[in-house]
Amino acid sequence: GAGVSQSPRYKVAKRGQDVALRCDPISGHVSLFWYQQALGQGPEFLTYFQNEAQLDKSGLPSDRFFAERPEGSVSTLKIQRTQQEDSAVYLCASSPESVGSYNEQFFGPGTRLTVL
Amino acid sequence: GQNIDQPTEMTATEGAIVQINCTYQTSGFNGLFWYQQHAGEAPTFLSYNVLDGLEEKGRFSSFLSRSKGYSYLLLKELQMKDSASYLCAVKAGYSTLTFGKGTMLLVSP
Repeated sequence: GAGVSQSPRYKVAKRGQDVALRCDPISGHVSLFWYQQALGQGPEFLTYFQNEAQLDKSGLPSDRFFAERPEGSVSTLKIQRTQQEDSAVYLCASSPESVGSYNEQFFGPGTRLTVL
Repeated sequence: GQNIDQPTEMTATEGAIVQINCTYQTSGFNGLFWYQQHAGEAPTFLSYNVLDGLEEKGRFSSFLSRSKGYSYLLLKELQMKDSASYLCAVKAGYSTLTFGKGTMLLVSP
């Protein structure tokens, strides 16, 4: 595709439900990033993949958050036992380079998660 | 850790010039990015500075002073479509980006 795509665009979950958010990066991009963006705030880093390897997961807020990119392309962010504080927009970004270089990131439109 | 500070909101008039400032504190500075984000949309890349000075790109320019930990984004000939949030993001070492909270710019007729 032409850009980064994410699905679903909107997700409403009841507190305690598990959710899975999908990211399709730009084909061939090495790096993939997940961010959490609360209303009126900037994106906050969650985790980073270089191909299929998860090199940094320091931003994941708790062990309820899990991300994978098993074949080095599509990535899934899973949130278990969702809480109201998990309500946010989850942004995915990809980059053609590894994180050590110039590293312009191309963002997807995000998934807006609302936990009731 | 990193600390990035930018104004929360700014207003300007169509056709005018506006400067959005960003100050940062970080170790191992390795570049500063500006992104534009319209409501409900993805952030889109505007500019990148790693050396001191001014980078110009059409109506948008970005300036960096590494010694002062300071950058600004200059928008000229403002248009209504420039109403958006402008995000300053810093890269330290080989790490990923750390974003500021964003500056919401409202352009009025």
